[in-house]
Amino acid sequence: KAGVTQTPRYLIKTRGQQVTLSCSPISGHRSVSWYQQTPGQGLQFLFEYFSETQRNKGNFPGRFSGRQFSNSRSEMNVSTLELGDSALYLCASSLGSRDSPLHFGNGTRLTVT
Amino acid sequence: SQQGEEDPQALSIQEGENATMNCSYKTSINNLQWYRQNSGRGLVHLILIRSNEREKHSGRLRVTLDTSKKSSSLLITASRAADTASYFCATDAFGRGGADGLTFGKGTHLIIQP
Repeated sequence: KAGVTQTPRYLIKTRGQQVTLSCSPISGHRSVSWYQQTPGQGLQFLFEYFSETQRNKGNFPGRFSGRQFSNSRSEMNVSTLELGDSALYLCASSLGSRDSPLHFGNGTRLTVT
Repeated sequence: SQQGEEDPQALSIQEGENATMNCSYKTSINNLQWYRQNSGRGLVHLILIRSNEREKHSGRLRVTLDTSKKSSSLLITASRAADTASYFCATDAFGRGGADGLTFGKGTHLIIQP
């Protein structure tokens, strides 16, 4: 089975711009979660989508949004980028039950200048 | 906010030795999971222990859970250079319906010296 695929791998954007990150989950996985990882804050939960519906949401401003398509692929959008948005953004897919382990992609490294 | 906190923050040992990492958390949990992350890559799931379990084994990994102390430990036996990575505990909190997703600690960075 192919793993979780995230594109692009690296991204450099300017403050004020917007960015869209993409995630293709493992085949058969209906849950996709997004995490932000920074040296200072560690891994922080952004949101989770299950069957095209946002099921859970972390404590991030409305500039961070996402969606999931019928084939379970997910996109995450960040508008009006700030320097503090520079981070590794990780996507993880799972079967969606409480005890389902998360399968992570290798992330998108976003640098905001 | 971080639910789990790993201890130590960094650990350096010789190849072949055992490595022990600890995790403490604050609220009641449904389960606790351990993940490994190699530099600049995604996390890999290692093991899950449910709140009604006290110990679990998987290959060279041994995890314990003490819900009365709200703590867990991960033991890696006979360490190898390939075990060099950061290790995170993650908790799925009870009664929150997964509203915050899995909550990760800040990790223990393990270095295995050849």
